[in-house]
Amino acid sequence: DVKVTQSSRYLVKRTGEKVFLECVQDMDHENMFWYRQDPGLGLRLIYFSYDVKMKEKGDIPEGYSVSREKKERFSLILESASTNQTSMYLCASSLVGLKDTQYFGPGTRLTVL
Amino acid sequence: DAKTTQPNSMESNEEEPVHLPCNHSTISGTDYIHWYRQLPSQGPEYVIHGLTSNVNNRMASLAIAEDRKSSTLILHRATLRDAAVYYCILRTLSSGSARQLTFGSGTQLTVLP
Repeated sequence: DVKVTQSSRYLVKRTGEKVFLECVQDMDHENMFWYRQDPGLGLRLIYFSYDVKMKEKGDIPEGYSVSREKKERFSLILESASTNQTSMYLCASSLVGLKDTQYFGPGTRLTVL
Repeated sequence: DAKTTQPNSMESNEEEPVHLPCNHSTISGTDYIHWYRQLPSQGPEYVIHGLTSNVNNRMASLAIAEDRKSSTLILHRATLRDAAVYYCILRTLSSGSARQLTFGSGTQLTVLP
């Protein structure tokens, strides 16, 4: 089974802190994604990556950056956390090509005080 | 990706079959119908997908209308663990670069003991 793991299930940070969310997948998938999920807004794509060191902006990249130095790891960085970044953050991975089922991690619930 | 319409919520009794409908009247010939579900406090998980023919797997069955404008996810024997939000998503057949999943609001399935 594909496994996508996220570094924390729950995280509490203060406004202005730099926050790192880590995601690791063990199936050699080329694609990795970061979404956030908010009540009433569904899942929204922040960034995705289709290869090591490659990244593309999603629908809501402002206030975030990403890093993909190794194929299995995709990091989401909040340079200066703000209260409106309180959310559930979900990482996913998929293969390139026709069978692009996305496999999600369990999510990180981030609270910014 | 084309739009889908699902009921906001449905209820089922435990151990009975559940039919979750999805309308996608603007579906194109190259759109696959995907279903994901999200259990409480977890990331979404892939359930099933199909193009034209009905599909079965260990989790569920997918019945696709002959004109492809609607489909139904069938859980043959609902359990309490099937209580989740079920999302119907259309995905255009494409190889190559990563594509995000666009989740609508889905159907909240409640399973009654």
